[in-house]
Amino acid sequence: EDQVTQSPEALRLQEGESSSLNCSYTVSGLRGLFWYRQDPGKGPEFLFTLYSAGEEKEKERLKATLTKKESFLHITAPKPEDSATYLCAVASNYKLTFGKGTLLTVNP
Amino acid sequence: DSGVTQTPKHLITATGQRVTLRCSPRSGDLSVYWYQQSLDQGLQFLIQYYNGEERAKGNILERFSAQQFPDLHSELNLSSLELGDSALYFCASSSSAGPRQETQYFGPGTRLLVL
Repeated sequence: EDQVTQSPEALRLQEGESSSLNCSYTVSGLRGLFWYRQDPGKGPEFLFTLYSAGEEKEKERLKATLTKKESFLHITAPKPEDSATYLCAVASNYKLTFGKGTLLTVNP
Repeated sequence: DSGVTQTPKHLITATGQRVTLRCSPRSGDLSVYWYQQSLDQGLQFLIQYYNGEERAKGNILERFSAQQFPDLHSELNLSSLELGDSALYFCASSSSAGPRQETQYFGPGTRLLVL
């Protein structure tokens, strides 16, 4: 059974304080790893898709990386508007298996 | 805005009742997925349809069923509702169902409250 573990469960940063979120996974036949951002009561918002170990994607203050066992979401100089729950998911057999997420709070 | 629409936004009903949730995928997307999100379980995959055919099943209860219509919109039917069915239900869509998983884009969700 596919498993996704995200750490930490919660992270509190000061504005401008860079950090990384971790997503460890076990999956039989990885067909993609996805990062989403979710605000309270809203649908997950797509951030990145990674398919191969060594792949990296960047968007504004966010950068996602992938190895054979884990993925990292690096947040550089975060702003309060980056506060949200960040979800990682792995794809196999036509479904996504999600981790429980990391709740990020960025204080001004 | 992901382009995926879901109705209704909120639904309040009683135990034992039946409800139908509706989803319209992004223009051109053939795959539709349904997920349930509760506080303790996180996002759980329920079922996937591709161009009208059921493609994959996850943790979907026998009281729940879904279908995808010729115009590609999908409905999730929940019957004999229990208090524990209270959750956010999300629909997602993607363009295809090939060997690489294409990005799934999520709708705004339907919040179901069973009293």
